[in-house]
Amino acid sequence: QEQLVQSGAEVKKPGSSVKVSCKASGATFSRYPLNWVRQAPGQGLEWMGDIIPIVGTANYAQRFQGRVTITADGSTSTAYMELSGLRFEDTAVYYCAQKGGGHCNGGSCYSLDYWGQGTLVTVSS
Amino acid sequence: QSALTQPASVSGSPGQSITISCTGTNSDLGDYDFVCWYQQHPGKAPKLLIYGVNDRPSGVSNRISGSKSGNTASLTISGLQAEDEADYYCTSYTSSSTLVFGGGTKLTVL
Repeated sequence: QEQLVQSGAEVKKPGSSVKVSCKASGATFSRYPLNWVRQAPGQGLEWMGDIIPIVGTANYAQRFQGRVTITADGSTSTAYMELSGLRFEDTAVYYCAQKGGGHCNGGSCYSLDYWGQGTLVTVSS
Repeated sequence: QSALTQPASVSGSPGQSITISCTGTNSDLGDYDFVCWYQQHPGKAPKLLIYGVNDRPSGVSNRISGSKSGNTASLTISGLQAEDEADYYCTSYTSSSTLVFGGGTKLTVL
C-alpha cells in the first residue's frame, strides 16, 4: 500500500523560499505523476504541478510558472516542491498526491488515490 | 486555466439524495472523461470518491455515483448520512496536460 509522508511545518519570511519533501513507501512512485496541491486557509484545493519521477520532467500550473520547481529522486522515492518569492498569500497547507496503481494513460493517471498528510507553510514577517 | 465551477453549498436531510454540479469548458471537462471527485473533511487530506467520471475506488460506498454531460459533471450522493457532511471537489484533466480543481462545495446534512 502506497504511503506518502511529507516534511514538517515551516515558517518563512516574505521573499524567501521553501522546499517541501514527500517520501513514498510503495512500489509505484516512479510510474505515475506525483502531484502537488495546496489549500490556503478556508479556501479550496489548487493544483500546482506534477512530475513523473521516471521521466523527470515537471509540468506546472500557469499561475506558478517561474516560482515553483518540482523535482524527484527515484533512488529515495522522494519528491520535492520548492516555491520561491514567498508572499503572505502563499500561506497554505501543501499536499503531495499520486495515483495508487493500475494501468493509466494521460489524464487517467491523475486520479489521486494517495495523499500526504499535508505540510503547513506559514509566510510571516 | 480557470477553476471549474461548483455551487458553494448544497444541503439535504438524512436519507435524501443530493447532486453537486461541476462545470468546465471545451478545454477540460468537455473534451475529456478524466473527471474525479474528492471528499474532504475538516483538517483531513482529500479522499478520492470517483474517477473516470463514474468509477468508484474499492471501499467507496455505492451510494455515491458520478455522471457527465457535455461540459458539466455531476456527483450524486443518495441516502444521505451525517458522515457525508464535508467539502467536495471535482477535477478534470485539461488540454494543457494539467489538472484543474473545482472551487469546492460544502455539503450540509440537516
